[in-house]
Amino acid sequence: QSVLTQPPSVSAAPGQKVTISCSGSSSNIGNNYVSWYQQLPGTAPKLLIYDNNKRPSGIPDRFSGSKSGTSATLGITGLQTGDEADYYCGTWDSSLSENVFGTGTKVTVL
Amino acid sequence: QVQLQESGPGLVKPSQTLSLTCTVSGGSISSGSYYWSWIRQPAGKGLEWIGRIYTSGSTNYNPSLKSRVTISVDTSKNQFSLKLSSVTAADTAVYYCAREAITMVRGVIAAYYFDYWGQGTLVTVSS
Repeated sequence: QSVLTQPPSVSAAPGQKVTISCSGSSSNIGNNYVSWYQQLPGTAPKLLIYDNNKRPSGIPDRFSGSKSGTSATLGITGLQTGDEADYYCGTWDSSLSENVFGTGTKVTVL
Repeated sequence: QVQLQESGPGLVKPSQTLSLTCTVSGGSISSGSYYWSWIRQPAGKGLEWIGRIYTSGSTNYNPSLKSRVTISVDTSKNQFSLKLSSVTAADTAVYYCAREAITMVRGVIAAYYFDYWGQGTLVTVSS
C-alpha cells in the first residue's frame, strides 16, 4: 500500500499537455524533495526529475516538476507517442524511514 | 557513464534464500556520496524499495522486509548484493539495483533519488 497517491491514468492528444499529481503527507513530500521516474514498457525506470524540479542531463525541458505543500506535480508538454509510459513519483518518508514511491500513472497518447 | 547489471538465479524455491548481485561499471562504487539500493516490482504493480548500503557498510532496510533482508558490498569487485530469506510467491518480481544520490541542504539530507538503474532481473519463486 503506497503512501503516495497518483491518478491511475491520464491521456491527451499528441502535442498537448498532461499533468500528473502525487499526493502525500508531511512525513514525506511535505518535508523532503520529490523525484519522478519514467518507465517505458518492458524497461527499467529512468530518472526524469529530482529535487522537485531539476532535470538530469539529457531530459528535455518538455518535462517539468513542481511541489506545493504535501503534493507534487509532473508536467509533460508537447506530448509525443514516445512518452507513453508509466510514471512514478518518489521521496523519502521520515516517519517510515524508507524510500516510498507513488502508485504510478499510465500516460496514453491518443 | 555508470552502468549497473543484476545477476543471479531466476528461479528460487519457496522458503529458500534469494541471492542477487549488482555489478557496477563506469565508476568506482566507493567514489562519491552515493548509496546503492535494491528495488523490486511485481508484474503489473508498482515499485517497492528494499534497502540500501553505503560503501562504509552502513545499511537501511524497508521495515516491512527488514527481518529477511541483508545487503552487502564488495568494493574490491565493485559489486553489492542482496539476500532475501524465507521467500514466498509474493516475492516474485523484477529486481532492480540502482545508484541512490543525495541532496544536502544546510547540512541535512533533503533528498534521495535513483539516478542510475540496472535493467532488472526477474526472480520467480516457485517449487
